[in-house]
Amino acid sequence: DAKTTQPPSMDCAEGRAANLPCNHSTISGNEYVYWYRQIHSQGPQYIIHGLKNNETNEMASLIITEDRKSSTLILPHATLRDTAVYYCIVRDQGGSEKLVFGKGMKLTVNP
Amino acid sequence: EPEVTQTPSHQVTQMGQEVILRCVPISNHLYFYWYRQILGQKVEFLVSFYNNEISEKSEIFDDQFSVERPDGSNFTLKIRSTKLEDSAMYFCASSPTRSGAGEQYFGPGTRLTVT
Repeated sequence: DAKTTQPPSMDCAEGRAANLPCNHSTISGNEYVYWYRQIHSQGPQYIIHGLKNNETNEMASLIITEDRKSSTLILPHATLRDTAVYYCIVRDQGGSEKLVFGKGMKLTVNP
Repeated sequence: EPEVTQTPSHQVTQMGQEVILRCVPISNHLYFYWYRQILGQKVEFLVSFYNNEISEKSEIFDDQFSVERPDGSNFTLKIRSTKLEDSAMYFCASSPTRSGAGEQYFGPGTRLTVT
């Protein structure tokens, strides 16, 4: 079962920052936080991952709280093409290779 | 940018028939995966494959399923005798590294329809 909790949906205005929350209160020290998204039945797309430090790449930023019990994915300037289901996943560094997808959160970017 | 490719994009088959779904992972990746997503449901892990062996499989991946890397580029999923409940999107993924520090890159999927 997924170890994360996300709101079922969120709306965002085009051009604004989208802040997507995730709770992972039972995360252990070896578990990374991953974010993927799925645009309308396409294959899931990797976005970013982190262990405890904040991370940034060309797609997004990942902010992990100091206690690591929650994180926020930030899309700095949301576009219509960012409308998708976003999945927050935790996975053990030395454990199972599989990604366990929950229901995710549907982000709708509105014009 | 390198990407995972899958063929066919849509496969229609009759119940009881064998199907082979094909994937070409990213060329320098070493770890390969199959997932499936029944319409309206979650993405589910099926199997992982490394060094020509299955490294992990789920309860879904029973004796009707098999995987193979027949050459240096292809990675296949075979379903021996399809059932109606096998109808789903099947996604192949690959990763350059294992487990926690390795992101997985997914293909566009094959939609399997069993009639």
